[in-house]
Amino acid sequence: GAVVSQHPSRVICKSGTSVKIECRSLDFQATTMFWYRQFPKQSLMLMATSNEGSKATYEQGVEKDKFLINHASLTLSTLTVTSAHPEDSSFYICSATLGEDSYEQYFGPGTRLTVT
Amino acid sequence: DAKTTQPPSMDCAEGRAANLPCNHSTISGNEYVYWYRQIHSQGPQYIIHGLKNNETNEMASLIITEDRKSSTLILPHATLRDTAVYYCIVRAGFKTIFGAGTRLFVKA
Repeated sequence: GAVVSQHPSRVICKSGTSVKIECRSLDFQATTMFWYRQFPKQSLMLMATSNEGSKATYEQGVEKDKFLINHASLTLSTLTVTSAHPEDSSFYICSATLGEDSYEQYFGPGTRLTVT
Repeated sequence: DAKTTQPPSMDCAEGRAANLPCNHSTISGNEYVYWYRQIHSQGPQYIIHGLKNNETNEMASLIITEDRKSSTLILPHATLRDTAVYYCIVRAGFKTIFGAGTRLFVKA
Protein backbone atom coordinates (compact mmCIF):
# COMPACT_ATOMS: atom_id res chain seq x y z
CA GLY A 1 0.00 0.00 0.00
CA ALA A 2 0.90 3.65 -0.28
CA VAL A 3 3.09 5.21 2.39
CA VAL A 4 2.64 8.49 4.19
CA SER A 5 5.40 9.79 6.42
CA GLN A 6 5.47 12.51 9.05
CA HIS A 7 8.36 14.48 10.41
CA PRO A 8 9.24 14.83 13.17
CA SER A 9 7.78 11.87 15.03
CA ARG A 10 8.17 13.69 18.34
CA VAL A 11 8.82 17.32 19.14
CA ILE A 12 9.08 19.30 22.33
CA CYS A 13 8.86 23.06 22.15
CA LYS A 14 8.56 25.94 24.57
CA SER A 15 5.37 27.86 25.07
CA GLY A 16 5.08 30.77 22.64
CA THR A 17 7.19 29.24 19.90
CA SER A 18 6.00 27.82 16.59
CA VAL A 19 6.51 24.30 15.35
CA LYS A 20 6.17 22.85 11.88
CA ILE A 21 5.06 19.30 11.12
CA GLU A 22 5.56 17.79 7.67
CA CYS A 23 3.39 15.19 5.98
CA ARG A 24 4.68 13.50 2.84
CA SER A 25 3.19 10.97 0.47
CA LEU A 26 6.19 8.86 -0.49
CA ASP A 27 5.07 6.91 -3.52
CA PHE A 28 1.98 8.64 -4.81
CA GLN A 29 0.66 12.09 -5.52
CA ALA A 30 -1.89 13.21 -2.98
CA THR A 31 -4.52 15.56 -4.29
CA THR A 32 -5.96 15.99 -0.85
CA MET A 33 -4.46 15.74 2.61
CA PHE A 34 -6.15 15.84 5.98
CA TRP A 35 -4.91 16.87 9.41
CA TYR A 36 -6.21 15.33 12.61
CA ARG A 37 -5.53 15.93 16.28
CA GLN A 38 -5.89 13.30 18.97
CA PHE A 39 -5.81 13.89 22.72
CA PRO A 40 -5.02 11.01 25.09
CA LYS A 41 -7.71 8.35 25.22
CA GLN A 42 -9.84 10.23 22.71
CA SER A 43 -10.68 9.68 19.08
CA LEU A 44 -9.17 11.50 16.14
CA MET A 45 -10.62 14.93 15.47
CA LEU A 46 -10.49 16.28 11.95
CA MET A 47 -8.89 19.72 11.90
CA ALA A 48 -8.70 20.63 8.24
CA THR A 49 -8.70 19.46 4.65
CA SER A 50 -6.04 20.74 2.30
CA ASN A 51 -5.94 20.54 -1.45
CA GLU A 52 -2.75 21.11 -3.39
CA GLY A 53 -2.41 24.71 -4.47
CA SER A 54 -5.43 26.07 -2.62
CA LYS A 55 -6.33 27.25 0.84
CA ALA A 56 -7.16 24.69 3.47
CA THR A 57 -10.71 24.18 4.67
CA TYR A 58 -10.89 24.19 8.45
CA GLU A 59 -13.44 22.36 10.58
CA GLN A 60 -15.64 24.36 12.89
CA GLY A 61 -13.83 25.49 16.00
CA VAL A 62 -10.32 25.14 14.58
CA GLU A 63 -8.40 28.42 14.48
CA LYS A 64 -6.93 28.87 11.03
CA ASP A 65 -4.50 31.55 12.19
CA LYS A 66 -3.13 29.25 14.85
CA PHE A 67 -2.87 26.11 12.75
CA LEU A 68 -1.36 27.15 9.44
CA ILE A 69 -1.60 24.57 6.69
CA ASN A 70 0.35 24.67 3.45
CA HIS A 71 -0.06 22.12 0.68
CA ALA A 72 2.45 23.43 -1.81
CA SER A 73 3.00 20.23 -3.75
CA LEU A 74 1.24 16.95 -4.47
CA THR A 75 3.51 15.14 -2.04
CA LEU A 76 3.91 17.58 0.85
CA SER A 77 1.62 19.29 3.31
CA THR A 78 2.79 21.15 6.39
CA LEU A 79 1.02 22.06 9.60
CA THR A 80 2.49 24.91 11.62
CA VAL A 81 1.29 25.36 15.17
CA THR A 82 1.91 29.03 15.89
CA SER A 83 2.50 30.46 19.35
CA ALA A 84 2.10 27.03 20.87
CA HIS A 85 0.69 26.60 24.36
CA PRO A 86 0.61 23.55 26.64
CA GLU A 87 -3.00 22.87 25.65
CA ASP A 88 -1.79 22.35 22.07
CA SER A 89 0.13 19.30 23.24
CA SER A 90 -1.38 16.44 21.31
CA PHE A 91 -0.85 13.70 18.73
CA TYR A 92 -1.13 15.15 15.23
CA ILE A 93 -1.88 12.78 12.36
CA CYS A 94 -2.09 13.45 8.67
CA SER A 95 -3.66 11.42 5.91
CA ALA A 96 -3.60 11.57 2.16
CA THR A 97 -5.83 10.49 -0.66
CA LEU A 98 -5.60 10.42 -4.40
CA GLY A 99 -8.81 12.38 -4.65
CA GLU A 100 -12.57 12.18 -4.37
CA ASP A 101 -12.84 9.18 -6.65
CA SER A 102 -10.40 7.20 -4.57
CA TYR A 103 -11.80 5.34 -1.58
CA GLU A 104 -8.39 4.80 -0.14
CA GLN A 105 -7.03 7.09 2.53
CA TYR A 106 -3.54 6.57 3.87
CA PHE A 107 -2.55 7.72 7.32
CA GLY A 108 0.81 8.88 8.58
CA PRO A 109 2.38 7.53 11.77
CA GLY A 110 1.62 10.69 13.73
CA THR A 111 3.64 13.40 15.46
CA ARG A 112 3.65 13.76 19.23
CA LEU A 113 3.84 17.45 20.18
CA THR A 114 4.64 18.46 23.73
CA VAL A 115 4.59 22.14 24.64
CA THR A 116 6.34 22.99 27.88
CA ASP B 1 -21.91 11.47 6.91
CA ALA B 2 -23.97 9.00 8.94
CA LYS B 3 -23.14 8.41 12.59
CA THR B 4 -22.09 5.03 13.89
CA THR B 5 -22.53 3.33 17.24
CA GLN B 6 -19.99 0.85 18.57
CA PRO B 7 -19.50 -0.79 21.96
CA PRO B 8 -16.73 1.01 23.86
CA SER B 9 -14.73 -2.14 24.56
CA MET B 10 -14.60 -5.87 23.93
CA ASP B 11 -12.43 -8.79 24.99
CA CYS B 12 -11.41 -11.72 22.85
CA ALA B 13 -9.32 -14.80 23.54
CA GLU B 14 -6.24 -15.26 21.42
CA GLY B 15 -6.90 -17.60 18.51
CA ARG B 16 -10.64 -17.07 18.60
CA ALA B 17 -12.69 -14.99 16.20
CA ALA B 18 -13.30 -11.38 17.19
CA ASN B 19 -16.67 -10.04 16.06
CA LEU B 20 -16.97 -6.28 16.30
CA PRO B 21 -20.45 -4.84 15.73
CA CYS B 22 -21.38 -1.45 14.36
CA ASN B 23 -24.76 0.22 14.02
CA HIS B 24 -25.29 2.79 11.28
CA SER B 25 -29.07 3.02 11.05
CA THR B 26 -29.05 6.37 9.21
CA ILE B 27 -26.71 5.28 6.44
CA SER B 28 -27.69 6.54 3.03
CA GLY B 29 -27.55 4.66 -0.24
CA ASN B 30 -24.25 6.01 -1.49
CA GLU B 31 -22.33 5.68 1.76
CA TYR B 32 -19.73 2.99 2.19
CA VAL B 33 -18.85 1.25 5.45
CA TYR B 34 -15.15 1.47 6.33
CA TRP B 35 -13.18 -0.09 9.14
CA TYR B 36 -9.86 1.22 10.44
CA ARG B 37 -7.88 0.32 13.49
CA GLN B 38 -5.38 2.24 15.58
CA ILE B 39 -2.73 0.55 17.60
CA HIS B 40 -1.48 2.64 20.51
CA SER B 41 0.42 5.77 19.47
CA GLN B 42 0.31 4.93 15.77
CA GLY B 43 -1.67 6.27 12.82
CA PRO B 44 -4.89 4.49 11.81
CA GLN B 45 -4.63 1.48 9.54
CA TYR B 46 -7.18 0.66 6.86
CA ILE B 47 -8.76 -2.76 7.29
CA ILE B 48 -11.65 -3.22 4.88
CA HIS B 49 -14.63 -1.48 3.32
CA GLY B 50 -17.89 -2.39 1.60
CA LEU B 51 -21.12 -1.01 0.20
CA LYS B 52 -23.69 -3.78 0.53
CA ASN B 53 -22.01 -7.08 -0.22
CA ASN B 54 -19.95 -8.97 2.30
CA GLU B 55 -16.24 -8.51 1.81
CA THR B 56 -13.15 -10.47 2.79
CA ASN B 57 -9.47 -9.72 2.57
CA GLU B 58 -6.31 -11.02 4.18
CA MET B 59 -7.00 -9.12 7.39
CA ALA B 60 -10.71 -9.50 8.03
CA SER B 61 -14.25 -10.08 6.82
CA LEU B 62 -17.00 -7.51 6.71
CA ILE B 63 -20.60 -8.60 7.03
CA ILE B 64 -23.22 -5.97 6.17
CA THR B 65 -26.88 -6.64 6.91
CA GLU B 66 -29.32 -6.60 4.04
CA ASP B 67 -30.89 -3.32 5.19
CA ARG B 68 -27.35 -1.91 5.62
CA LYS B 69 -28.21 -0.55 9.05
CA SER B 70 -25.49 -2.53 10.78
CA SER B 71 -22.30 -4.40 10.07
CA THR B 72 -19.82 -6.71 11.76
CA LEU B 73 -16.08 -6.83 11.37
CA ILE B 74 -14.68 -10.31 11.88
CA LEU B 75 -11.06 -11.03 12.70
CA PRO B 76 -11.04 -14.80 12.18
CA HIS B 77 -8.13 -15.72 14.45
CA ALA B 78 -7.30 -12.85 16.77
CA THR B 79 -3.72 -12.46 17.96
CA LEU B 80 -2.27 -10.28 20.69
CA ARG B 81 -1.14 -7.84 18.00
CA ASP B 82 -4.77 -7.22 17.09
CA THR B 83 -5.28 -5.36 20.36
CA ALA B 84 -6.26 -1.88 19.16
CA VAL B 85 -9.10 0.60 18.82
CA TYR B 86 -11.33 -0.31 15.90
CA TYR B 87 -13.26 2.42 14.14
CA CYS B 88 -16.36 1.86 12.02
CA ILE B 89 -16.99 4.77 9.66
CA VAL B 90 -19.61 5.43 7.03
CA ARG B 91 -18.87 7.95 4.34
CA ALA B 92 -19.72 8.85 0.79
CA GLY B 93 -16.85 11.19 0.04
CA PHE B 94 -13.25 11.02 1.09
CA LYS B 95 -13.45 12.96 4.33
CA THR B 96 -13.20 10.53 7.24
CA ILE B 97 -14.85 11.45 10.52
CA PHE B 98 -13.92 9.19 13.42
CA GLY B 99 -16.27 8.17 16.21
CA ALA B 100 -15.23 6.75 19.56
CA GLY B 101 -14.50 3.24 18.24
CA THR B 102 -14.26 -0.08 20.09
CA ARG B 103 -11.22 -0.90 22.16
CA LEU B 104 -10.49 -4.58 21.53
CA PHE B 105 -8.37 -6.45 24.06
CA VAL B 106 -7.03 -9.77 22.86
CA LYS B 107 -6.02 -11.90 25.84
CA ALA B 108 -3.67 -14.85 25.95
